[in-house]
Amino acid sequence: DTGVSQDPRHKITKRGQNVTFRCDPISEHNRLYWYRQTLGQGPEFLTYFQNEAQLEKSRLLSDRFSAERPKGSFSTLEIQRTEQGDSAMYLCASSLATLVVRDEQYFGPGTRLTVT
Amino acid sequence: GIQVEQSPPDLILQEGANSTLRCNFSDSVNNLQWFHQNPWGQLINLFYIPSGTKQNGRLSATTVATERYSLLYISSSQTTDSGVYFCAPRNQAGTALIFGKGTTLSVSS
Repeated sequence: DTGVSQDPRHKITKRGQNVTFRCDPISEHNRLYWYRQTLGQGPEFLTYFQNEAQLEKSRLLSDRFSAERPKGSFSTLEIQRTEQGDSAMYLCASSLATLVVRDEQYFGPGTRLTVT
Repeated sequence: GIQVEQSPPDLILQEGANSTLRCNFSDSVNNLQWFHQNPWGQLINLFYIPSGTKQNGRLSATTVATERYSLLYISSSQTTDSGVYFCAPRNQAGTALIFGKGTTLSVSS
């Protein structure tokens, strides 16, 4: 069990550019979540996958944001036409949800995005 | 949606002191987690505690779901306990965690 990993750890981009982040969940975890955290705040939910299906999206997830989880393994989060307000830490979490196993979320180290 | 309030917002302790962090939530929940966010931003799982009391070393937690609060106790605090502590109940759909603003703990030697 190597934990949730995220890549890159840091990203600096110019306003208007597109960026893509990757998350590798804990092996065999069937649920994957994306959150965003700004300075001084707790993480805020963006979206959630059960296997490869995206089942829930927050209203925070504007149409410039898209997330995928092909084959139910790793996930990518893309932000198009970045804005300075997108600067934040993007966190990925995963969990194993079954009828007998508790659904405890484990977080990756995050990707810190700075939009200049 | 569920609202989460944590208190105190900031806490400064001397090494060896004990503390209690409180988390109030606005609606019934069937799932709650406590996390410690270290200075590098990593969220570390402390407890999965939808109800009852659990202990892990110097830390313990109690959730009283019927009264909509959870408590985190830290005993004999150490400098490595510094960071932000979040409680996060699960939303009504049972998917997303809802975070408060956290309690920032500073422990000095």
